[in-house]
Amino acid sequence: DGGITQSPKYLFRKEGQNVTLSCEQNLNHDAMYWYRQDPGQGLRLIYYSQIVNDFQKGDIAEGYSVSREKKESFPLTVTSAQKNPTAFYLCASSMDRGGSPLHFGNGTRLTVT
Amino acid sequence: AQSVTQLDSHVSVSEGTPVLLRCNYSSSYSPSLFWYVQHPNKGLQLLLKYTSAATLVKGINGFEAEFKKSETSFHLTKPSAHMSDAAEYFCVVSLYSSASKIIFGSGTRLSIRP
Repeated sequence: DGGITQSPKYLFRKEGQNVTLSCEQNLNHDAMYWYRQDPGQGLRLIYYSQIVNDFQKGDIAEGYSVSREKKESFPLTVTSAQKNPTAFYLCASSMDRGGSPLHFGNGTRLTVT
Repeated sequence: AQSVTQLDSHVSVSEGTPVLLRCNYSSSYSPSLFWYVQHPNKGLQLLLKYTSAATLVKGINGFEAEFKKSETSFHLTKPSAHMSDAAEYFCVVSLYSSASKIIFGSGTRLSIRP
């Protein structure tokens, strides 16, 4: 079955450590996205990529980095520069044209202490 | 500029009664509109989408939504609520010409009373 796989589901890190969240899709979608979700809030866009080897900052990119070396993969690194990294992170993909729905993974819950 | 407003942060209904989740949008262009559902600790799942075909859109699990251009609304309805409908619902606007211009509403939490 086609879909998006995020791993791990839960992640715990100490403050000051970088951490990388995995996102893999087998839907052959060109566009991929990372969103952050905090309790009681909607989704905020961190980064998106519309093609391999290219990506753009979203609304809250500070303290995060991404890469897009393969069409299927779009890992997100939460760096020590991110002031409040504890959140639920969602990866999504879509065909790269307007009107295409997003397909979401099941998320990674990151806790930094 | 485009925006989306979900008018209720929390809606509570009794099982078997109708559900109405309200969404208003603003867009300078012909938008695509979506409703997604999110169960706790899960990703979002597409319920339905409007892309300028029929104004009444039927989705999964008995949900439907009506696009009303004159009212700039895209409200989500279901005739009879089920306990499994308890979740967070998001209304989303997408600028048709670009996959990157996607705006999420703040969400409506739907509770179902037995």
